[in-house]
Amino acid sequence: QSVVTQEPSLTVSPGGTVTLTCSSPTGTVTPDFFPNWFQQVPGQAPMSLIYNTDIKHSWTPARFSGSLLGGKAALTVSNVQPEDEADYYCLLAYRGWVFGGGTKLTVL
Amino acid sequence: QVQLQQSGPRLVKPSQTLSLTCAISGDSVSSTGACWNWIRQSPSRGLEWLGRTYFRSKWIYEYGSSVESRITISPDTAKNQISLQLSTVTPEDTAIYYCARGTDFLYWGQGTQVTVSS
Repeated sequence: QSVVTQEPSLTVSPGGTVTLTCSSPTGTVTPDFFPNWFQQVPGQAPMSLIYNTDIKHSWTPARFSGSLLGGKAALTVSNVQPEDEADYYCLLAYRGWVFGGGTKLTVL
Repeated sequence: QVQLQQSGPRLVKPSQTLSLTCAISGDSVSSTGACWNWIRQSPSRGLEWLGRTYFRSKWIYEYGSSVESRITISPDTAKNQISLQLSTVTPEDTAIYYCARGTDFLYWGQGTQVTVSS
């Protein structure tokens, strides 16, 4: 059970928008937590999508965006595609680094 | 292009030491812009950051609280690799172990499934 909290599961329709959140054990997530977001499909290593709150890699689809929202780190996926169905993990810089428990995103 | 190639035993007996290496290509282990992490993943514990090392005039080592009494991460500049040693393992240490680069965790090794069993 991680001290960094994520929604265990979310369901979204294709073309819809969904926001995944990540809470810190100390209260408000700030940029000093350097939030990272990863996507993992079964059988593969996690793949980095977002780092330092909102910075994308060259391969990160434009429909993925990171932010701070209501005291949490957030990953918003717009115009969701079927291939976005995966597990998503946040990672916060807290006493080293701590991963969240993950969110299973279902596209239905 | 940075590549991380992991190697090491996939079966370790309880109470023994788990040892893995992560060979680095496309970057230098002693690069002052990089840091090198070990992470593991299991169904019971999820993703868990174990620790990291990096060079900033001297070698720095940082370890996760859950394993800090049992873990050693070592750089090998001659072979351009890092190693992980986890002592006194139990079945709870059964997991997929990954090395990964940086604070953006951009590059990951392929993962090594390690089973702790007699």
